[in-house]
Amino acid sequence: AQSVTQLDSHVSVSEGTPVLLRCNYSSSYSPSLFWYVQHPNKGLQLLLKYTSAATLVKGINGFEAEFKKSETSFHLTKPSAHMSDAAEYFCVVSNDYKLSFGAGTTVTVRA
Amino acid sequence: GAGVSQSPSNKVTEKGKDVELRCDPISGHTALYWYRQSLGQGLEFLIYFQGNSAPDKSGLPSDRFSAERTGGSVSTLTIQRTQQEDSAVYLCASSLAIGRGYEQYFGPGTRLTVT
Repeated sequence: AQSVTQLDSHVSVSEGTPVLLRCNYSSSYSPSLFWYVQHPNKGLQLLLKYTSAATLVKGINGFEAEFKKSETSFHLTKPSAHMSDAAEYFCVVSNDYKLSFGAGTTVTVRA
Repeated sequence: GAGVSQSPSNKVTEKGKDVELRCDPISGHTALYWYRQSLGQGLEFLIYFQGNSAPDKSGLPSDRFSAERTGGSVSTLTIQRTQQEDSAVYLCASSLAIGRGYEQYFGPGTRLTVT
């Protein structure tokens, strides 16, 4: 069985400050982990993925995530938030075909 | 190139009616997936296709739900005798092949409202 827990349902940051979205996973084998973003009334877009290569993964739009096996975590960070980062973010764990989504974290960016 | 497309974008139907939702995957993608996004349940897996075969239908909520894929391309998700709890956004995704390293590309979804 596999699952993810997103520790924050909502995160509010000021423009230009760092963003941290927390995710813990549970998997009976070496997981593949993803972060997806969903802007209002838009489809899901892949930000980045971890598939057992480098533990620090860089994605699009300045986002990165670090896989920590000892902590079963895959937290998403960005050094400086932009207004366009306001969206919902999903941490996802995968077996060979099935994506299991976390409940999502809504990010609000204050001007 | 063209992404995953879904139709209709919005569908309002009366309780008890049947509905069909369509998904056109990215050309050349052998794998196709259906997910559902609802307020109460979040994002949940429904079914996937490898070619025209559906090896895992375990996510379909009830026997009112069925899906097929023809010609290794277009897929249709059918909901019979719709209920209000079927109201959700139905998302389709496709990937080049099956495997954890293959990215799933999502369509914009079909918003289904059952009145």
